[in-house]
Amino acid sequence: QVQLQQWGAGRLKPSETLSLTCDVYGGSFSDYYWSWIRQPPGKGLEWIGEINHSGNTNYNPSLKSRVTISLHTSNNQFSLKLNSVTAADAAVYYCARESGHYDRPRFDYWGQGILVTVSS
Amino acid sequence: DIQMTQSPSSLSASVGDRVTITCRASQTIYYFLDWYYQKPGKAPELLIYAASRLQSGVPSRFSGSGSGTDFTLTISSLQPEDFATYYCQQSYSSPWTFGQGTKVEIE
Repeated sequence: QVQLQQWGAGRLKPSETLSLTCDVYGGSFSDYYWSWIRQPPGKGLEWIGEINHSGNTNYNPSLKSRVTISLHTSNNQFSLKLNSVTAADAAVYYCARESGHYDRPRFDYWGQGILVTVSS
Repeated sequence: DIQMTQSPSSLSASVGDRVTITCRASQTIYYFLDWYYQKPGKAPELLIYAASRLQSGVPSRFSGSGSGTDFTLTISSLQPEDFATYYCQQSYSSPWTFGQGTKVEIE
């Protein structure tokens, strides 16, 4: 059974760096792409970016200048860093596994979500 | 970016009703369309991928159809656990984008 478990700081001040990690349990870590997706309170979903087992990344252009996604294969983990946060970055952040990247891509497993608030 | 537009934004229905939600892409996405549902306070869950393929473990009352720019999610007989918000998502061209959501409420 595949499980994604997220952890990291949920309360930030403006200009700080958001840092979250997703632990992956079960399944093969190297056969998939791994994504971060966020959802502002009461709003829709926004894809942030993804990484594959080789460390190749692909980011949403709207966030690319501030985002870094990295892989820690030895620990079956991947991480998100978002620099210089503002109130607009307040959201529930999800990690997700992407299956079928080259065929029929879909997010088939999700983490539980972490609410990140940004306030001075 | 490819824009995804769902309709309606919300609907009221009763248990046993047949429910249809539509999703339109701003350009062709062939069959690269996925459907998710989300309960309040929970992560989204995959229902349908590649426009019409049922994710393992998802009840057969859910079905998806369409190709190109126009897609449909159908729930053949609405159950109490189906009251939630539904999102479509295109997986054809990065950045992957989602529809704004359709909230299915109890009538």
